[in-house]
Amino acid sequence: QQQVKQSPQSLIVQKGGISIINCAYENTAFDYFPWYQQFPGKGPALLIAIRPDVSEKKEGRFTISFNKSAKQFSLHIMDSQPGDSATYFCAASMKTGANNLFFGTGTRLTVIP
Amino acid sequence: DTEVTQTPKHLVMGMTNKKSLKCEQHMGHRAMYWYKQKAKKPPELMFVYSYEKLSINESVPSRFSPECPNSSLLNLHLHALQPEDSALYLCASSVGVNTGELFFGEGSRLTVL
Repeated sequence: QQQVKQSPQSLIVQKGGISIINCAYENTAFDYFPWYQQFPGKGPALLIAIRPDVSEKKEGRFTISFNKSAKQFSLHIMDSQPGDSATYFCAASMKTGANNLFFGTGTRLTVIP
Repeated sequence: DTEVTQTPKHLVMGMTNKKSLKCEQHMGHRAMYWYKQKAKKPPELMFVYSYEKLSINESVPSRFSPECPNSSLLNLHLHALQPEDSALYLCASSVGVNTGELFFGEGSRLTVL
């Protein structure tokens, strides 16, 4: 059972455009929602994260929007650049449980010049 | 130092070989992880060490044997692997186990012939 659903699977955006990746979850025990960025041949790197007590978090060109009632969160990349081309994984974490970090299925973003 | 270092970067082995993957971090993190990642898939948890003790084994076959010699080092011993075990093996660390904030290494690309 996929604990975190992510869409789209792939995304092509023009340079300067806005990239939007969406995720949804069901388990209300999740209390931390990180996004990881992975370039080909590299390990994932934490990009930005949010807790459910805030509705938005912005770091540079990257913004997480969080809708607690809908159990959805999304990553917005403003002014997308070719260097942003990577695979993005949303994730959800909880304080308890044996395996407490659950990844979405990933979105491969391609930003074309 | 905010790095997780993995060696080797690439490994090719036969099904009868014995090899080891190594991971090192000097961030003072007390939780360390092994993940397996297949192409176009999210990382899949294999093992978790907390304070140098194995706390999670996600039903991984015994041909994979983890070892945590000290708080900075993590090994994954490989023996009698199958071609389907070919994947990117990622090591990660975090301050504690109850956090979704993982620091990943670049991974070891394993090919089993």
